[in-house]
Amino acid sequence: DITMTQSPSSLSASVGGRVTITCQASQDIRKHLNWYQQRPGKAPKLLIDDASNLKRGVPSRFSGSGSGTYFTFTISGLQPEDVATYYCQHYETAPHTFGPGTRVDI
Amino acid sequence: DVQLVESGGGLVKPGGSLTLSCAASGFNFRDRWMTWVRQAPGQGLQWVGRIKSKEDGGTTDYAASVKGRFIISRDDSSDTLYVQMNSLKTEDTATYYCYTDIWVGELSEYVQQWGQGTLVIVSS
Repeated sequence: DITMTQSPSSLSASVGGRVTITCQASQDIRKHLNWYQQRPGKAPKLLIDDASNLKRGVPSRFSGSGSGTYFTFTISGLQPEDVATYYCQHYETAPHTFGPGTRVDI
Repeated sequence: DVQLVESGGGLVKPGGSLTLSCAASGFNFRDRWMTWVRQAPGQGLQWVGRIKSKEDGGTTDYAASVKGRFIISRDDSSDTLYVQMNSLKTEDTATYYCYTDIWVGELSEYVQQWGQGTLVIVSS
């Protein structure tokens, strides 16, 4: 099975600041990577698929990049509503494992 | 409206069984691959398993932690996804979500839909 690691596990940034989260896969997953946002008590929300494809309706301050085994997720201009936990997930082969998550606070 | 609604959660003793349902509406359920994900209290997301559409073989895949104990199935006549959970352990305590990716032609992209989750507590 493919293992996903994320760092950091948590971070705190200022409103308007830049946040970067990294995600590494234990083997080549090409660009088969999702990024999710999960607010407390809510179901996850898909923000980005194919490593860098921003889903419709998701603010442009969110972005993703990478391929192979190394990926990054960035929030450019952190907003109060971005307080949440963010997860990466691969979908190269089943099981489609998630990273452990990164908690983002202000 | 596209909707997924999970049900069937509750309190069950270790070693017991429970079946969760995920009722789908607003899209062509039979064409979609369906996935179960769970989240233990205060913990991260864990992919549980998925079932392909019957057109694509209807096969299932499972996480190692549930393989041999959980069975995912689907009833396309009632647009319902199931997970039968057997030999339950305390570590299976979690909120269970179902989700799927739906092609929206007007948007020319897939939209991912999640249910609201149902809580399973395994405790004596």
